[in-house]
Amino acid sequence: GDSVTQMEGPVTLSEEAFLTINCTYTATGYPSLFWYVQYPGEGLQLLLKATKADDKGSNKGFEATYRKETTSFHLEKGSVQVSDSAVYFCALSDPLSNTGNQFYFGTGTSLTVIP
Amino acid sequence: GAGVSQSPSNKVTEKGKDVELRCDPISGHTALYWYRQSLGQGLEFLIYFQGNSAPDKSGLPSDRFSAERTGGSVSTLTIQRTQQEDSAVYLCASSLEGSYNEQFFGPGTRLTVL
Repeated sequence: GDSVTQMEGPVTLSEEAFLTINCTYTATGYPSLFWYVQYPGEGLQLLLKATKADDKGSNKGFEATYRKETTSFHLEKGSVQVSDSAVYFCALSDPLSNTGNQFYFGTGTSLTVIP
Repeated sequence: GAGVSQSPSNKVTEKGKDVELRCDPISGHTALYWYRQSLGQGLEFLIYFQGNSAPDKSGLPSDRFSAERTGGSVSTLTIQRTQQEDSAVYLCASSLEGSYNEQFFGPGTRLTVL
């Protein structure tokens, strides 16, 4: 079945450090891939998405490229800020394998950025 | 415009009691989803509605869990005879119909079963 495997945390970085959070997936069809972010005390919100191979999603300085050959969608940011401290979830939607737009989520990676 | 809203935001109940959790999706969103987020865990899919029907109930953890949606809008998740392992944050999301559409999440209901 479909699944998402995400780098385990927690991750602690100094401000302006480079961030990578790994995400790999298993899917039977042609999934769309997403990164959601959950800031402390808030609900999940979409950070970026990519709907086909080689697409790059980007937002707020974060980027992720849909790599079909490695079934990956790693999240990167060149210079993190304290305000990026949050939990990050990788997710996929694979409409050819289920009856609805069910999202499969990774377990989340907690990021703390220290000044 | 208004986002997805959920109520109550927090619910503390005693083991064995029934609880109802409510979700108001974004107006015009035909698809509605319930997830559960347990401490230290990812998001667990519970159920999906397309309009008022639920084609996929595979994620409901037991027959104590049920959900309904009326008027293609508000949804209620009911947990009967709550157990301590039901303690979690219950998240609702809605989306436009379509396989690549973003799901918009509500703030969640934190359920604590004593």
